[in-house]
Amino acid sequence: QSALTQPRSVSGSPGQSVTISCTGTSSDIGGHNYVSWYQQHPGKAPKVMIYDVNKRSSGVPDRFSGSKSGNTASLTISGLQAEDEADYHCCSYAGSYTVVFGGGTKLTVL
Amino acid sequence: EVQLVESGGGLVQPGRSLRLSCAASGFTFDDYAIHWVRQAPGKGLEWVSGISWNSGNIGYADSVKGRFIISRDNAKNSLYLQMNSLRAEDTALYYCARDTRPGIADSRMDYWGQGVLVTVSS
Repeated sequence: QSALTQPRSVSGSPGQSVTISCTGTSSDIGGHNYVSWYQQHPGKAPKVMIYDVNKRSSGVPDRFSGSKSGNTASLTISGLQAEDEADYHCCSYAGSYTVVFGGGTKLTVL
Repeated sequence: EVQLVESGGGLVQPGRSLRLSCAASGFTFDDYAIHWVRQAPGKGLEWVSGISWNSGNIGYADSVKGRFIISRDNAKNSLYLQMNSLRAEDTALYYCARDTRPGIADSRMDYWGQGVLVTVSS
């Protein structure tokens, strides 16, 4: 069980698009379609934004989208807004009833 | 309203034990799997353990396997984490989080508690 690999930080201007990558292995991301993405604002509990690779949770704007190719999953946020500034964590089922998270990515809206 | 409230945290010396609890309300507890997820200060999320609706399937992170035990009491709408042989690196905010399904073979957690702080230090 090794943590998934995410960039430590990404940034973008309002209205732009950003993509956050999340790289794992064939045992986790590559082997299952159970990838999720969590948004976490400072001092708050995480909130699931995307689940099952590309499904949006209820109430999540369609500016948020998820995808997967091989062992890498991606979260794309289009039309960046100030309130999107937060930490984003990817997560995948890793088999044998285990789950693994990425190290988290800090999104800065310039 | 779905609520998850963790308790039992605190300051504990290395090598000692601590038992966390998570009280659930606002939903049918035994319809869902539940997870423990922790976050060390300034760090990312780390999945600790998960338990299916009927305790039939349980998983642990390698970092806690053999030291932590997850359990649930559906009659009391409660989840527990018995933490033994605690180490400094177990210091973190511990969250309980509800899965969206009865089993734990996925990664979608839709409701989270506010967390309970565990500090392991001499």
